[in-house]
Amino acid sequence: EVQLQESGPGLVKPSQSLSLTCSVTGYSITSNYWGWIRKFPGNKMEWMGYISYSGSTSYNPSLKSRISITRDTSKNQFFLQLNSVTTEDTATYYCARYLRANYGDYWGQGVMVTVSS
Amino acid sequence: DIVLTQSPVLAVSLGQRATISCRASQSVSISSINLMHWYQQKPGQQPKLLIYRASNLASGIPARFSGSGSGTDFTLTIDPVQADDIAAYYCQQSRESTWTFGGGTKLELK
Repeated sequence: EVQLQESGPGLVKPSQSLSLTCSVTGYSITSNYWGWIRKFPGNKMEWMGYISYSGSTSYNPSLKSRISITRDTSKNQFFLQLNSVTTEDTATYYCARYLRANYGDYWGQGVMVTVSS
Repeated sequence: DIVLTQSPVLAVSLGQRATISCRASQSVSISSINLMHWYQQKPGQQPKLLIYRASNLASGIPARFSGSGSGTDFTLTIDPVQADDIAAYYCQQSRESTWTFGGGTKLELK
């Protein structure tokens, strides 16, 4: 069974970088697409981006200057880095497998990240 | 970006039919492929894929869930509603490379 698990700090200071890891079991990240979605307080959901089976990436233009998604295929993990965070980046962050780069069929449990000094 | 509009709340009785709508600001269909998908989310849990490409039931999802629509208007139907279905429901489009989500519809009991 495909399983995803996010990990990373729950508290980040403004202007710093947010770094999260998604560990995948039961499926190789060298197949399909893998990415990040966040849900803000108030329930708005935002697609952040993905990394493909080949290592190519696609990002939400609203984040393009601050976001980076990378991977370590030897550990079957992929990563999110979001730079220069503000309080508006406070959200629950989910990693997911994107089937055919169209929809998320497997999701992690999510990790809540608060940006605060 | 394509904006997806959902009604915030829908109140329904157990055993009845629930119809949740999602309207897109522009077509999310390419030829006969409707790039609209539906998720269920319960408090404290991750989203769960229910329907992909408008009308295809995801693996393990009960047949009381169904989806329909094309172009800009899409519907998720739950018939009959069971207690376990009380949750929030989100539509999501992948017609454009920047995916967007609807604001969610919270299904409540009457």
